[in-house]
Amino acid sequence: EVQLVESGGGLVQPGGSLRLSCAASGFTVSSNYMSWVRQAPGKGLEWVSVIYSGGSTYYADSVKGRFTISRDNSKNTLYLQMNSLRAEDTAVYYCARSSVGYCSSTSCYEFWFDPWGQGTLVTVSS
Amino acid sequence: SYELTQPPSVSVSPGQTARITCSGDALPKQYAYWYQQKPGQAPVLVIYKDSERPSGIPERFSGSSSGTTVTLTISGVQAEDEADYYCQSADSSGTSVVFGGGTKLTVL
Repeated sequence: EVQLVESGGGLVQPGGSLRLSCAASGFTVSSNYMSWVRQAPGKGLEWVSVIYSGGSTYYADSVKGRFTISRDNSKNTLYLQMNSLRAEDTAVYYCARSSVGYCSSTSCYEFWFDPWGQGTLVTVSS
Repeated sequence: SYELTQPPSVSVSPGQTARITCSGDALPKQYAYWYQQKPGQAPVLVIYKDSERPSGIPERFSGSSSGTTVTLTISGVQAEDEADYYCQSADSSGTSVVFGGGTKLTVL
């Protein structure tokens, strides 16, 4: 069974750091495209970051330069390192396996997300 | 920045048909995807590439596309279908993932 389990969320002060983990089972993280998507309390979904199977990484403008997506192939786990956290980063963070329609030599297109983990709550507050 | 527009809410009685729309200028060129999210749960993919249904999703869920609008149709709505529904697509370049604001489906 394909499953994703996030951990690492919690309360952090503005300017602080946090690392989220997403443990996968039933498939190999390194052979897939993997994403993080967040949802602020009572709000909609916002794509945060993706790591391609080849290792390329991309970020939403709102987190670029502050967040880093990575993976540990030996642990079959995806990570999101979040630095310089702001109040507006408060959200439930979901990891999701990403499917892709096609890729050119420089990028990939037609992403969708399935399945999703259960999410982990990050609260940035003093 | 590119936006997808959904109605905030849709209400239907059990057994009726619910239609949830999503509008965006790039939709004629980009596929749309639909997710169902029940309270306190993670989103679940219910439609991909405009009209394809993943395995395990009931046949009453269907999707269609016409110009700048895509539609999620739920035929014979059941109480368990009450949830928030989000459309997702990409901007005209195809590289930026965008979600709609979500539609709350209420089963009366």
